[in-house]
Amino acid sequence: GNSVTQMEGPVTLSEEAFLTINCTYTATGYPSLFWYVQYPGEGLQLLLKATKADDKGSNKGFEATYRKETTSFHLEKGSVQVSDSAVYFCALGLYGNNRLAFGKGNQVVVIP
Amino acid sequence: DVKVTQSSRYLVKRTGEKVFLECVQDMDHENMFWYRQDPGLGLRLIYFSYDVKMKEKGDIPEGYSVSREKKERFSLILESASTNQTSMYLCASSLAGTSYDEQFFGPGTRLTVL
Repeated sequence: GNSVTQMEGPVTLSEEAFLTINCTYTATGYPSLFWYVQYPGEGLQLLLKATKADDKGSNKGFEATYRKETTSFHLEKGSVQVSDSAVYFCALGLYGNNRLAFGKGNQVVVIP
Repeated sequence: DVKVTQSSRYLVKRTGEKVFLECVQDMDHENMFWYRQDPGLGLRLIYFSYDVKMKEKGDIPEGYSVSREKKERFSLILESASTNQTSMYLCASSLAGTSYDEQFFGPGTRLTVL
């Protein structure tokens, strides 16, 4: 089946540190890949996406590259801010299938 | 500005009560979704609808039903609320035809069943 695996556990880091959140996927076809972010007390919102291999999605200083050879879509940011504290979800979708498969999410806490 | 709204941010109900959670979107989207979000489990799909009066079960439909009488409105119904249905409920919508389109989420309803 189609699934997404995110690294276990919350991530705590200091302001201006480098952030990486790992995401790997299993899919029967050629998926589109997404990162969603959920700020405290809010619903999810799309952070970035990539629709084919080697595409790079980017937004608000975050980047992720669709790596077909390693079935990965790791999220990175070079210098985090306190305002980046949120839960981050990796997700995949397949053409013709209205559903998205979500990972379990990673809580990111940025300390001043 | 596109929007998905949910009828309540917080709701407290008693075991055995019938509970209605309402979701409205103003984007003329065909697809609408109900998820529940629990710590350590991420988002799990309860039901989704791809058209008015059409619905499909998601991964955890037991104990829930849905209604879509109008394109913009998608309701989640807990026929007889139980304590294990205490959770955050998120509604989302998307355009039909391809999953390349993002899902737009509402702010969520935190339901507590006592």
